Amino acid sequence: QVQLVQSGAEMKKPGSSVKVSCKASGGTFSSYAISWVRQAPGQGLEWMGRIIPMLGVANFAQKFQGRVTITADKSTITAYMELSSLRSEDTAVYYCARGSHITGELDYWGQGTLVTVSS
Amino acid sequence: QSVLTQPPSVSGAPGQRVTISCTGSSSNIGAAYDVHWYQQLPGTPPKLLIYGNNNRPSGVPDRFSGSKSGTSASLAITGLQAEDEADYYCQSYDSSLRGSGVFGGGTKLTVL
Repeated sequence: QVQLVQSGAEMKKPGSSVKVSCKASGGTFSSYAISWVRQAPGQGLEWMGRIIPMLGVANFAQKFQGRVTITADKSTITAYMELSSLRSEDTAVYYCARGSHITGELDYWGQGTLVTVSS
Repeated sequence: QSVLTQPPSVSGAPGQRVTISCTGSSSNIGAAYDVHWYQQLPGTPPKLLIYGNNNRPSGVPDRFSGSKSGTSASLAITGLQAEDEADYYCQSYDSSLRGSGVFGGGTKLTVL
């Protein structure tokens, strides 16, 4: 049974950074990527980036270039997403999801982590 | 402004058939990237509904089907049920965005 368990909710000040973790278990991850997707309140899904833990290779949506860092610890199959220079518009639920890095579908999702940015 | 365009809302009565469109361009759907569909119930993570344009994961009823043609894709739901009321998103990748993932803006399905 594949499970992705994310870290808990965060409250951050504008200008600070947040780091969200996503620990994977069950199933196989050798040929999979971990993607990060966010959803602002009442809004749609937004793809942020992904990493292939076994290779340590990551790519990001252009919108987040320079502000997001995605890393992974392949020994524990844990992925991390760090977003810096936070602003109020970054208030959202952040999801991690497992996806085939070849076909691209996101088949298992974490429970989501609410990040609130407020002064 | 989403890269993939979906209607904001669709509706249908129980038992009816509805379709949700997802329109892209030559750099995403038209570039032979697969289209995937997700269902999201309120307060829960998205759930994979259709992958690789027209494949259903284990456990997804065959009332759900997907298709793709040219720069567009569609999700069809037959025999509409009350529990189908949810938000639906299409997803693909885009070569003009260096292979980044892209989502449609989402479609709210209301079962009348």
